[in-house]
Amino acid sequence: DTGVSQDPRHKITKRGQNVTFRCDPISEHNRLYWYRQTLGQGPEFLTYFQNEAQLEKSRLLSDRFSAERPKGSFSTLEIQRTEQGDSAMYLCASSSLLGGYTFGSGTRLTVV
Amino acid sequence: AQSVTQPDIHITVSEGASLELRCNYSYGATPYLFWYVQSPGQGLQLLLKYFSGDTLVQGIKGFEAEFKRSQSSFNLRKPSVHWSDAAEYFCAVGGGAAGNKLTFGGGTRVLVKP
Repeated sequence: DTGVSQDPRHKITKRGQNVTFRCDPISEHNRLYWYRQTLGQGPEFLTYFQNEAQLEKSRLLSDRFSAERPKGSFSTLEIQRTEQGDSAMYLCASSSLLGGYTFGSGTRLTVV
Repeated sequence: AQSVTQPDIHITVSEGASLELRCNYSYGATPYLFWYVQSPGQGLQLLLKYFSGDTLVQGIKGFEAEFKRSQSSFNLRKPSVHWSDAAEYFCAVGGGAAGNKLTFGGGTRVLVKP
């Protein structure tokens, strides 16, 4: 069990550029979640997958955001036309149906 | 809608002293409650969780929490704080043990004085 891995750890991008983050969950976990955390706040739910199906999306997930989990394993979160307000820590977590909600170390995005 | 309130934004405690972090939640059904700790620039580590049964829950690193349904509270305690406990602590509520989405409080930053 290598835990939940996120790549990259840090990303600096210019406003208007597209960025993509990757999350590799714990292999036997079938649920995968994305959260966003801004400075000084608690994480906020964005979306989650059960296997490859995206079951819920927060209204925080504007049409510039898209998440995929094509084979029910790793997931990607893409942000198009980034804005300064997108600067945040993006956290991925995974869980199994028996419990065990585990977070990755996050990707910190800075939009300049 | 579910919500979590952590009334204390910052707490400063002396090393060796006791610590209590407050958490109040709002949830329409039986809540699943969690406490996480986060060091700067890091992800979240689970300290403990409550699903059912004994309302006093033991966690890692010497932490415990008590679920009080009548007060909608799930306060975190540690009898004797170590300098390494300086971090941010988040309380969260969810709808299932396996994790439906979690709703987090705003966090409490703990500073430990030598």
